[in-house]
Amino acid sequence: DVKVTQSSRYLVKRTGEKVFLECVQDMDHENMFWYRQDPGLGLRLIYFSYDVKMKEKGDIPEGYSVSREKKERFSLILESASTNQTSMYLCASRPYKGSSYEQYFGPGTRLTVT
Amino acid sequence: GDSVTQMEGPVTLSEEAFLTINCTYTATGYPSLFWYVQYPGEGLQLLLKATKADDKGSNKGFEATYRKETTSFHLEKGSVQVSDSAVYFCALSDSWGKFQFGAGTQVVVTP
Repeated sequence: DVKVTQSSRYLVKRTGEKVFLECVQDMDHENMFWYRQDPGLGLRLIYFSYDVKMKEKGDIPEGYSVSREKKERFSLILESASTNQTSMYLCASRPYKGSSYEQYFGPGTRLTVT
Repeated sequence: GDSVTQMEGPVTLSEEAFLTINCTYTATGYPSLFWYVQYPGEGLQLLLKATKADDKGSNKGFEATYRKETTSFHLEKGSVQVSDSAVYFCALSDSWGKFQFGAGTQVVVTP
């Protein structure tokens, strides 16, 4: 079974802090994704990566950056956390780029910025 | 751009009732379509998928048919259980593999 793990289930940070969210997948998937989930808005894509050291902006990249130094690990960075970044963050991975491949999700990190 | 619209919730049903969640999409090209389910406190799990027109995806008693003529992918289950209480997301993947998700529909099944 594919396993996608996220470093924390719950996180509380202060405004202005630099925040790191880590995601690891164990199935040698090429593609990895970061989403945020907010009530009534579904999932919105922040950043994605089709391969190691590659990254692409999603629909809402402002205030975020990412790092993918190894194939299995994809990190989301909040450079200076703000209260409007309080949300559920979901990481996902997928074997390849084609449309028929599903994404596999981690359990999520609920981040609260105070 | 591509988009997915699904019916708003919450949808409240009694056990053994019939469930339908409507999903329509807008896309260029030939997307694949997916239904994901999210149980409380968990990430999303794939429920079923269909990769071309007229395909039917099915799993755990749930079904959905890819209808190109109506651009729809409605989810159905004939007899729901309390354990089906969750949030259901309709999604599409374009030819590049980029996903668009609907807003999600909460389903509450009461005994």
